[in-house]
Amino acid sequence: EVQLLESGGGLIQPGGSLRLSCVVSGFTLSTHAMSWVRQAPGKGLEWVSSVTEIDTTYYADSVKGRFTISRDTSKNTLLLQMNSLRVEDTAVYHCAPGLMGDGDWGQGTRVTVSS
Amino acid sequence: QPVLTQPTSLSASPGASARFTCTLRSGINVGTYRIYWYQQKPGSLPRYLLRYRSDSDKYQGSGVPSRFSGSNDAATNVGLLLISGLHSEDEADYYCAIWYSGTWVFGGGTKLTVL
Repeated sequence: EVQLLESGGGLIQPGGSLRLSCVVSGFTLSTHAMSWVRQAPGKGLEWVSSVTEIDTTYYADSVKGRFTISRDTSKNTLLLQMNSLRVEDTAVYHCAPGLMGDGDWGQGTRVTVSS
Repeated sequence: QPVLTQPTSLSASPGASARFTCTLRSGINVGTYRIYWYQQKPGSLPRYLLRYRSDSDKYQGSGVPSRFSGSNDAATNVGLLLISGLHSEDEADYYCAIWYSGTWVFGGGTKLTVL
């Protein structure tokens, strides 16, 4: 059974940093692309970043230069390092399989950026 | 003009069919892209439904009933999600998406009301 379990969210001041994790079970992360998608309160889905199975990375313009996606294949864990956080980064962050989320998503971890 | 445009709302009666549209920006040919569809019920995480480019290039998500189907209309450059035999539990937000120029682009979502 595939499971994606995110963690690392929380309340952070603008300009701060957080590191999100997504522990994957049921498949091997090293052979699959993965993505992060976020959803601000009351808003639609917004793609954040993706990494392919050969470690090619992609970022939304809104996070480029501030966020870094990576994989720890030894722990089967997807990571998202978020720096220089802004109020508008406030959202629930989901990890999703593949480049298009064509499978089961994680429940998400909530990030609140506020002073 | 957004890459993908969806109507904000749609209503239909139980047992009827619902037709969701996802209009691609002029110059982005619907026949070239796999259109992905997701369902998000209130308070729940997004669920991958299906993808469609052509009858020979389509894929139904795991456990997604056959009453959910995809198609497209080249004449109007629109991707379509069709739900037949509507149930009250189909009430949800529905998002379309494509992978476009190295980005995962979502439409704004359509809220389905079943009444």
